[in-house]
Amino acid sequence: EAGVTQFPSHSVIEKGQTVTLRCDPISGHDNLYWYRRVMGKEIKFLLHFVKESKQDESGMPNNRFLAERTGGTYSTLKVQPAELEDSGVYFCASSQYRYYMDTEAFFGQGTRLTVV
Amino acid sequence: AQSVTQPDIHITVSEGASLELRCNYSYGATPYLFWYVQSPGQGLQLLLKYFSGDTLVQGIKGFEAEFKRSQSSFNLRKPSVHWSDAAEYFCAVGAYSGGSNYKLTFGKGTLLTVNP
Repeated sequence: EAGVTQFPSHSVIEKGQTVTLRCDPISGHDNLYWYRRVMGKEIKFLLHFVKESKQDESGMPNNRFLAERTGGTYSTLKVQPAELEDSGVYFCASSQYRYYMDTEAFFGQGTRLTVV
Repeated sequence: AQSVTQPDIHITVSEGASLELRCNYSYGATPYLFWYVQSPGQGLQLLLKYFSGDTLVQGIKGFEAEFKRSQSSFNLRKPSVHWSDAAEYFCAVGAYSGGSNYKLTFGKGTLLTVNP
């Protein structure tokens, strides 16, 4: 069974450009999470989808970030326009059941975003 | 709000030596605790988790962790380290906020170097 897949693995863009990160969760997983790790800091929660609905987006840093989850399958995270402080590693995770603590969350390998 | 402290940013051990990685958490209720590992080029992999019951939990790759409520700690241990254990290790606490919103809060991570 395929794991959580993230595209691209690396992205280098200039300040002011737009970047779209994609996450393909494990098939059948209703829960999809985005997390981010800025260099030297902890991994921080961005948002949580249950199927196609945003359950919690309290961690989104500002309105330059837009997340979508089409038909409850894959998700995209768009940053527009990108700023230097957006650089970091973006992780996606998925889990099967509604009550997350009862099931394991599977993480992707992350997308390393560098804004220059 | 919950928080996780990993006091050691970087630890170096010799192959075959024992290992203990420290983790302290802050949370007002019974925590759900996790240790994840990230090897170079890989995603976050769950090593072990604690929800309830026996305070000594066994995980994959020969790791174990002990939950000590009185000390708010969940330290990760391994009796004999292998070179392949070189990686970054993250402690996390899972908790609900704002009703049914569940998310992980991570520590800053501990980078483990293994000397031959």
